[in-house]
Amino acid sequence: DIQMTQSPSTLSASVGDRVTITCRASQTINTWLAWYQQKPGKAPELLIYKASDLESGVPSRFSGSGSGTEFTLTIARLQPDDFATYYCQQYNTYPWTFGQGTKVEIK
Amino acid sequence: QVLLVQSGADVKKPGASVTVSCKASGYTFSNFGLTWVRQAPGQGLEWMGWISFHKGDTHYSQKFQGRLTVTSDTSTSTAYMELRSLTSDDTAVYYCARVWGLRGFDYWGQGTLVTVSS
Repeated sequence: DIQMTQSPSTLSASVGDRVTITCRASQTINTWLAWYQQKPGKAPELLIYKASDLESGVPSRFSGSGSGTEFTLTIARLQPDDFATYYCQQYNTYPWTFGQGTKVEIK
Repeated sequence: QVLLVQSGADVKKPGASVTVSCKASGYTFSNFGLTWVRQAPGQGLEWMGWISFHKGDTHYSQKFQGRLTVTSDTSTSTAYMELRSLTSDDTAVYYCARVWGLRGFDYWGQGTLVTVSS
């Protein structure tokens, strides 16, 4: 199985900060990577697909980049609504797998 | 608008089976796939399997092979996830989500809590 490793596991930041989360795959996944945001008690929501394509309706402060085995999710200017847990997920190879999550907390 | 509405919470005894349903509306059901993801209490997301209506096949994580079955009824736009031989480790919130080609999982159900307890 392809292992997806996110760093950091927890991130403390302030409103207005630029935030970057990294996701590494144990083998190449081309650009078949998605990013999700999940708030407590809610279902995840798709932010980015195909590594860098912004899902419709998602604010432009979110962006994704990378290919192969290294990917990043960047939030340009953190807003109060962005404090949540973020997951990367590869869909290049079965079984599709998720990273362990990165919790973005208020500093 | 696209909606995925799942069946309600369930409590099962160890060794039993559970079936969770996911009723879709707001789009042409057979033009997309449906996947199942679960989340144990306080844990991350775990992909279980999916059904591709376009190709007419299913793919399961090897972890669940032999005790997971995903089916669908296109006449009612409903997908089903059956998990058998339950243990306490299967206690989790189970989500269905729409799969649109290679765009990831773009719409999610509200989640169904399945508790396995004697």
